[in-house]
Amino acid sequence: NAGVMQNPRHLVRRRGQEARLRCSPMKGHSHVYWYRQLPEEGLKFMVYLQKENIIDESGMPKERFSAEFPKEGPSILRIQQVVRGDSAAYFCASSLYHRGDNEKLFFGSGTQLSVL
Amino acid sequence: QQQVKQSPQSLIVQKGGISIINCAYENTAFDYFPWYQQFPGKGPALLIAIRPDVSEKKEGRFTISFNKSAKQFSLHIMDSQPGDSATYFCAATPAGGQNFVFGPGTRLSVLP
Repeated sequence: NAGVMQNPRHLVRRRGQEARLRCSPMKGHSHVYWYRQLPEEGLKFMVYLQKENIIDESGMPKERFSAEFPKEGPSILRIQQVVRGDSAAYFCASSLYHRGDNEKLFFGSGTQLSVL
Repeated sequence: QQQVKQSPQSLIVQKGGISIINCAYENTAFDYFPWYQQFPGKGPALLIAIRPDVSEKKEGRFTISFNKSAKQFSLHIMDSQPGDSATYFCAATPAGGQNFVFGPGTRLSVLP
C-alpha cells in the first residue's frame, strides 16, 4: 500500500518558467492538501481539495498559483512565471476522512523547487 | 489568532534524557492537536495527537500534556534516543476546520 507519492522530488526552474508539482494520494483517500515549507519555517497551508473541487484555497497566493484534483489522476499544483521567492519545499498530504474522529494527514516526501 | 507558537527553536538532549517541546495557541476553536515528526528529506509523519477533553495522552515514550485553560500543550519524549533526532511540529485545527495550522518547528538533537 503505497503512501502519498509526490514527483518530482527536485525541480529546477528559471525565473518566468512554469512549475508543475504532482501528488498521488494514498489509495482510497479523496482529500488532498498542499503545504509550503520554507527553510527553518513550519508548514504553511495552501489549499485543500477533494475530487474535482477546491474546498479551501485561503492559503494560496492570488496570482500565478493554481491547484486541481481531477476525477482521474494526481493532484497538480501549478506555479506560473516562477520567481526566486517561490523556491521552497512543497508537501502534499492526503486523508481518508475530513474531520473524522481519527483524521490523519499522511504526507508525501515533498518536491523541492529551486528557482534560478 | 490562527498562529501556533512553538518553543524552543532547537533542543539538544543527552541520550536517555527527557525532551520537552512547548506550544501555545490563541484560537479557542482549535479542538485537535497533533504532533508531527520530520526527518531530513522526508515529509512530516504523525506522531501523536490529543483532543481538549483529556489532559494527557501517552504512547510509548511520547506523551502530550494539554492545558486547556492556559491554551498550551507540550510534547515529552522520555528516554530520548539518537534516532529521535528530527524536527518536531505541533499543529492545531478547529472543529469543522479545513486546514491544519503548524508551529514553526523544533529541531531536536539527541547526543549519543
